[in-house]
Amino acid sequence: DGGITQSPKYLFRKEGQNVTLSCEQNLNHDAMYWYRQDPGQGLRLIYYSQIVNDFQKGDIAEGYSVSREKKESFPLTVTSAQKNPTAFYLCASSISSGGRNEQFFGPGTRLTVL
Amino acid sequence: AQKVTQAQTEISVVEKEDVTLDCVYETRDTTYYLFWYKQPPSGELVFLIRRNSFDEQNEISGRYSWNFQKSTSSFNFTITASQVVDSAVYFCALGANRDDKIIFGKGTRLHILP
Repeated sequence: DGGITQSPKYLFRKEGQNVTLSCEQNLNHDAMYWYRQDPGQGLRLIYYSQIVNDFQKGDIAEGYSVSREKKESFPLTVTSAQKNPTAFYLCASSISSGGRNEQFFGPGTRLTVL
Repeated sequence: AQKVTQAQTEISVVEKEDVTLDCVYETRDTTYYLFWYKQPPSGELVFLIRRNSFDEQNEISGRYSWNFQKSTSSFNFTITASQVVDSAVYFCALGANRDDKIIFGKGTRLHILP
């Protein structure tokens, strides 16, 4: 089955620790995205990647880092510099970047920092 | 600047009633794309529809229908004979050819009461 997987579904970390969220897709999509969603809020773009070995900051990139070494994978690291990391994180992909293309989403990772 | 407004934060209707979710957008582009997504309680966003700015025909898919009106910059979504399974947060989104990404509205939380 083609799709996007995110693991784990729930993640707990102590304050001050870095944590990496996994996102893998087998849709052969060039573009991948990371969003943050807070309770009752919309989606805010953290980072996106149009192609392997390239990525751009979104609207709220501070305290986060990404890499795109493989087409299928776009991991997100939440660093200790992120002041309020507890949130729901969604990964998405599209066939290519651009506003014309629908994005397909993974099931999300709910991060709680204690 | 591009903008998507979903003025209805939360709506509750009784099962079998029809319900319309409003979406108003702002863009200076002549070519643009509009999307609707559903986010059920599980959290994953599900793509529902994409329309381009040149196609103002209304779309119907089962109990779902979409009304695109350029004159009022609206792309409203109607669920006919609502069911409890329709309970979710619904997001409207906007993209343009010149953009790397799409922007989302803040979403409308829909409660279908049995």
